Amino acid sequence: KAGVTQTPRYLIKTRGQQVTLSCSPISGHRSVSWYQQTPGQGLQFLFEYFSETQRNKGNFPGRFSGRQFSNSRSEMNVSTLELGDSALYLCASRDSYYEQYFGPGTRLTVT
Amino acid sequence: EDQVTQSPEALRLQEGESSSLNCSYTVSGLRGLFWYRQDPGKGPEFLFTLYSAGEEKEKERLKATLTKKESFLHITAPKPEDSATYLCAVQVVGTGTASKLTFGTGTRLQVTL
Repeated sequence: KAGVTQTPRYLIKTRGQQVTLSCSPISGHRSVSWYQQTPGQGLQFLFEYFSETQRNKGNFPGRFSGRQFSNSRSEMNVSTLELGDSALYLCASRDSYYEQYFGPGTRLTVT
Repeated sequence: EDQVTQSPEALRLQEGESSSLNCSYTVSGLRGLFWYRQDPGKGPEFLFTLYSAGEEKEKERLKATLTKKESFLHITAPKPEDSATYLCAVQVVGTGTASKLTFGTGTRLQVTL
């Protein structure tokens, strides 16, 4: 099976702009989670989507949002970008078991 | 609040020199503990899941163990290709928490010839 894919792999944006990141889970996986990874805070949970519904949300401001489509693909949106949003954004998918499989990530740089 | 602490932060080993990485956790109720390997610029690669104290899992030169307070990742006779950051994460019991992992900050392992 193909792994989790994320697009784009690299992105440079300016403060105040918004950005949309995309994630395609492993075929058959219905749960998609998003994480932010920074050198200072490590890996932090953003939110999880299952069957197009958000099931859990981490401690991030409302500027961070997401959605999931009927084919389980997911998008994450960050509005009004701040310098501190520069990070590696990781998507992970799982099936009915608990193991999550991560994609390669999208490296977002905010200038 | 759920907490995961990994030690050491960094570890340098010579090829063939076995060692252990530690992951201690404080959670309200553990559903599972996960080990991942992450290479620079890549996403974490799943290694092991442990669910109950006393459980052990092995894969090649790696062996993961779990107690009620901590987990160890034992690396036997490491090779340079084992160099990576090893991440520990916990999943707690609760409604809608099945995908929420709380990660430690990782151990950066370097294996030299």
